[in-house]
Amino acid sequence: EIVMTQSPATLSVSPGEGATLSCRASQSLGNNLAWYQQKLGQAPRLLIYAASTRAIGIPARFSGSGSGAEFTLTISSLQSEDFAVYYCQQYNDWPPLYTFGQGTKLEIK
Amino acid sequence: QLQLQQSGPGLVKPSGTLSLTCSVSGGSISRANHHWGWFRQPPGKGLEWIGSIQYSGTTYYNPSLKSRVTVSVDTSKNEFSLKLTSLTAADTAMYYCNGGELWFDPWGQGTLVTVSS
Repeated sequence: EIVMTQSPATLSVSPGEGATLSCRASQSLGNNLAWYQQKLGQAPRLLIYAASTRAIGIPARFSGSGSGAEFTLTISSLQSEDFAVYYCQQYNDWPPLYTFGQGTKLEIK
Repeated sequence: QLQLQQSGPGLVKPSGTLSLTCSVSGGSISRANHHWGWFRQPPGKGLEWIGSIQYSGTTYYNPSLKSRVTVSVDTSKNEFSLKLTSLTAADTAMYYCNGGELWFDPWGQGTLVTVSS
């Protein structure tokens, strides 16, 4: 099983500033990585797939980068609605065994 | 635009069976390369994949749950279902259905399943 590790566990940032979230895999994924946003009491929402492709309707302030085993989600100029928990998910295994990081909570400073 | 609507009981007894259904609207469940999946999230914890199915009926399961899980699809009703047997308190979680190729969007609204007598 591929283990996904996210850092930091909690990130405190002021509105208007940028944020950088990290995700590391226990083995190379190529670019087979997705990012999700989850607000309290809601289902996860897909932000990024294939490491850097924004999903439909996702604002340009969200960007993904990385390949192999190291990935980054960058959010520029944080809006109030961006404060949530963010998860990375790998889909490199076949047959599939999808695994997630433990999440990064992005909170208002 | 695809929408997923979950249904099923929120309270199940220990040793019982969880049964949930996910109805797909806004498009056909019979999409090539599409996987229809079930995930869960214990209270205050992270996400765990349970299993997935393609419209052909091909299934994929998390090895940690495989002995207790069945995912099925009914293309005539445009829906897919989850059964999880031999429930314990550790199975208490929010259960989500979703669809996608290998990344998942959209997700159903979630069903909080509590295992309790």
